[in-house]
Amino acid sequence: EVQLLESGGGLVQPGGSLRLSCAASGFTFSNYAMAWVRQAPGKGLDWVSTLSGSGESTFDGDSVQGRFTISRDNSKNSLYLQMNSLRADDTAVYYCVQENGVGGTWGQGTLVTVSS
Amino acid sequence: NFMLTQPHSVSESPGKTVIISCTRSSGSIASNYVQWYQQRPGSSPTTVIYKNNQRPSGVPDRLSGSIDSSSNSASLTISGLKTEDEADYYCQSFDSGIYWVFGGGTKLTVL
Repeated sequence: EVQLLESGGGLVQPGGSLRLSCAASGFTFSNYAMAWVRQAPGKGLDWVSTLSGSGESTFDGDSVQGRFTISRDNSKNSLYLQMNSLRADDTAVYYCVQENGVGGTWGQGTLVTVSS
Repeated sequence: NFMLTQPHSVSESPGKTVIISCTRSSGSIASNYVQWYQQRPGSSPTTVIYKNNQRPSGVPDRLSGSIDSSSNSASLTISGLKTEDEADYYCQSFDSGIYWVFGGGTKLTVL
């Protein structure tokens, strides 16, 4: 069974940094592209970034380009999101998503709150 | 870039059929696959339709997806509505085959 467990969320001040992690299990991690999708409180879904299985190709949404960096460690079956220069509008639940060709499998999410 | 537009909310009675639309603003709806996600309150999204009209295992055949090039839209049809279908539904496609684009979401109320 595919399992994705996000961690690393919390309260951070505007301008601060945070690193999210996603521990994957139940599948051959390096075979799949992975993505981060976020959801602000009471709002819709917003794609953040995608990273290929090899880690060689990354694609970022307009709202986070230049501030957020997606990465992975295939030896640890883990996906990361380094978030810098955080703003209040980055406040959201961040989901880790396995792109599996059948719509994707989503984790339970981790909440990031940017506030002073 | 394009946008996907969904109705903000729909409601229908148990046992009835509801159709949720997702209209692409530019470019052909057929040029990239459309997915549909269901999000129940307090839960993470789950895939109910992928590649326009395919159901993942475990999704009942009461849910179906389609695309219509004449209206440049995708649709999620839920028949035999049950109270458990009450949720937010999001359509999603890809820009240039890579960049995810979400619709704004539709809140389904089963009265």
